[in-house]
Amino acid sequence: QKEVEQNSGPLSVPEGAIASLNCTYSDRGSQSFFWYRQYSGKSPELIMFIYSNGDKEDGRFTAQLNKASQYVSLLIRDSQPSDSATYLCAVRSSAGGTSYGKLTFGQGTILTVHP
Amino acid sequence: DGGITQSPKYLFRKEGQNVTLSCEQNLNHDAMYWYRQDPGQGLRLIYYSQIVNDFQKGDIAEGYSVSREKKESFPLTVTSAQKNPTAFYLCASRPGTINYEQYFGPGTRLTVT
Repeated sequence: QKEVEQNSGPLSVPEGAIASLNCTYSDRGSQSFFWYRQYSGKSPELIMFIYSNGDKEDGRFTAQLNKASQYVSLLIRDSQPSDSATYLCAVRSSAGGTSYGKLTFGQGTILTVHP
Repeated sequence: DGGITQSPKYLFRKEGQNVTLSCEQNLNHDAMYWYRQDPGQGLRLIYYSQIVNDFQKGDIAEGYSVSREKKESFPLTVTSAQKNPTAFYLCASRPGTINYEQYFGPGTRLTVT
């Protein structure tokens, strides 16, 4: 089992729809969760992080965390063509001590928003 | 402007040559990281450093070496021992011991033939 798994995609949604990206993780002690957006040929850009169970909203983005189910998701409301990118889920595990800060990344989900 | 710079953006080398990738940050971040990304895959950690003059191996350190002589700089050397060096190399930094989010530089795309 992979440590961090994302829905395989690619995911295609029409402009204006809600895009839902999902991520599961295997380390039950994981503490911090991150979503990065990566445009083709570019480096990842941090868009959201969440540490506590529940929802966290930032503009059109909502991150949802359920530690009991070991599940984190990213919702993008009113999707725009400019949201078309690969979305990477990253998880900070409990291993290595609190100052280590290692992130384990999923393989990414390609999102395409079509006009 | 504060940020992380990596140079060069594209790098081409012949098999058997060592090559050093540059990573510089002026964000005053303590921790720095090197990742590689292969097509269709997530990021894999090569090396990381939490403070000057200290660094640790990540998940795929074989064939790579690093140094951390200054807080601002964390160069990565890809040696001839690395069997599949062609990849997109990403440097990242993290603000401190409380915040865990990492910020990435623009990356270096290395092609070895």
